[in-house]
Amino acid sequence: SQQGEEDPQALSIQEGENATMNCSYKTSINNLQWYRQNSGRGLVHLILIRSNEREKHSGRLRVTLDTSKKSSSLLITASRAADTASYFCATVAGGGAQKLVFGQGTRLTINP
Amino acid sequence: ETGVTQSPTHLIKTRGQQVTLRCSSQSGHNTVSWYQQALGQGPQFIFQYYREEENGRGNFPPRFSGLQFPNYSSELNVNALELDDSALYLCASRPLPGRTGELFFGEGSRLTVL
Repeated sequence: SQQGEEDPQALSIQEGENATMNCSYKTSINNLQWYRQNSGRGLVHLILIRSNEREKHSGRLRVTLDTSKKSSSLLITASRAADTASYFCATVAGGGAQKLVFGQGTRLTINP
Repeated sequence: ETGVTQSPTHLIKTRGQQVTLRCSSQSGHNTVSWYQQALGQGPQFIFQYYREEENGRGNFPPRFSGLQFPNYSSELNVNALELDDSALYLCASRPLPGRTGELFFGEGSRLTVL
């Protein structure tokens, strides 16, 4: 079963605009990660934020985490056509297997 | 480029058949996990292997089984295929167990069951 939900399910914006995607989850976590997937291919890791962190930056990406609300957001600034992809949040609860529990993803389309 | 390769990229099977999917991880990545991604959904954890032993399993029936070999390769086997097994199967590896860092994913094997 999916851990949580992502919002919106689909987002279409103009190149140069900022894109914000939200993720909610249900259980306590060790960390939360964001991945990108181009057109049904493999997933690529973007950024990881630990449960004791509130904000993290990587290039044009900014991730926030609010453990009291069990939610996270991913902001992509100055979007480019090449950012068109599906974006997934994934949580790690800890324990031996360290499995990732994914949301259903946000389909982002950047219009040139 | 994640250094994780999967084969085949696409395959078609009929209901009741068996399938083997293969994955080759980066050298030193001794933990491998498999995920199933149905169309329009996020990936779901099937199981994880560390040093050739299964050390975690998701909510999948026993007809989903795996193997991990000393040369950083692994297999996912699915017996008695059902129509709902149609999905993208993703292999992912990481350098050590117990670390909570990123996973390195392959491009996936897309299975269609008719």
